Amino acid sequence: DVKVTQSSRYLVKRTGEKVFLECVQDMDHENMFWYRQDPGLGLRLIYFSYDVKMKEKGDIPEGYSVSREKKERFSLILESASTNQTSMYLCASTSGQETQYFGPGTRLLVL
Amino acid sequence: AQSVSQHNHHVILSEAASLELGCNYSYGGTVNLFWYVQYPGQHLQLLLKYFSGDPLVKGIKGFEAEFIKSKFSFNLRKPSVQWSDTAEYFCAVNAYNNAGNMLTFGGGTRLMVKP
Repeated sequence: DVKVTQSSRYLVKRTGEKVFLECVQDMDHENMFWYRQDPGLGLRLIYFSYDVKMKEKGDIPEGYSVSREKKERFSLILESASTNQTSMYLCASTSGQETQYFGPGTRLLVL
Repeated sequence: AQSVSQHNHHVILSEAASLELGCNYSYGGTVNLFWYVQYPGQHLQLLLKYFSGDPLVKGIKGFEAEFIKSKFSFNLRKPSVQWSDTAEYFCAVNAYNNAGNMLTFGGGTRLMVKP
């Protein structure tokens, strides 16, 4: 079974703080993704990576950056958190054109 | 760019009622289509997918979906819902392109099944 894990289930941060969200997958997948999930908006793609050190912007990359130093790990970084980044963040991984497997999500609250 | 629309944001049904959730996408080329489900407090899980072949796809827990290419639709159906089907359902489309396996999601439909 594919396992995608995220470092925290719940996180509370203050405006202006730097925030790291970590995601690890154990299936040697090339592709990894970060989404945010907001009510009525579904999942929106922030960034994705198709190989180590490779990254591509998704639909809403502003205010975020990512890091993929190792194949199994894909980090999402909020350089200076803002209240409009309060959301549920989901990580996913896949190999090729197949199904994406999702992590449990991190619910981030920015005060 | 592709987009996905789900017609209903909230659906409330009684147990044993039939379910149909609409999903339409906009993209003219070859697509892969997915329905994901998120039960309260749980991960997103794949319900079913269509890549090619028979346009009527059967998934887990008695769900099925029909791909109608001429209507750009991939509606989800279940003949008789159960209380345990209460969840949020997401339709997603993956268009064949060179940018990797990018999925575009619809806004989601929250289903509540009354016991």
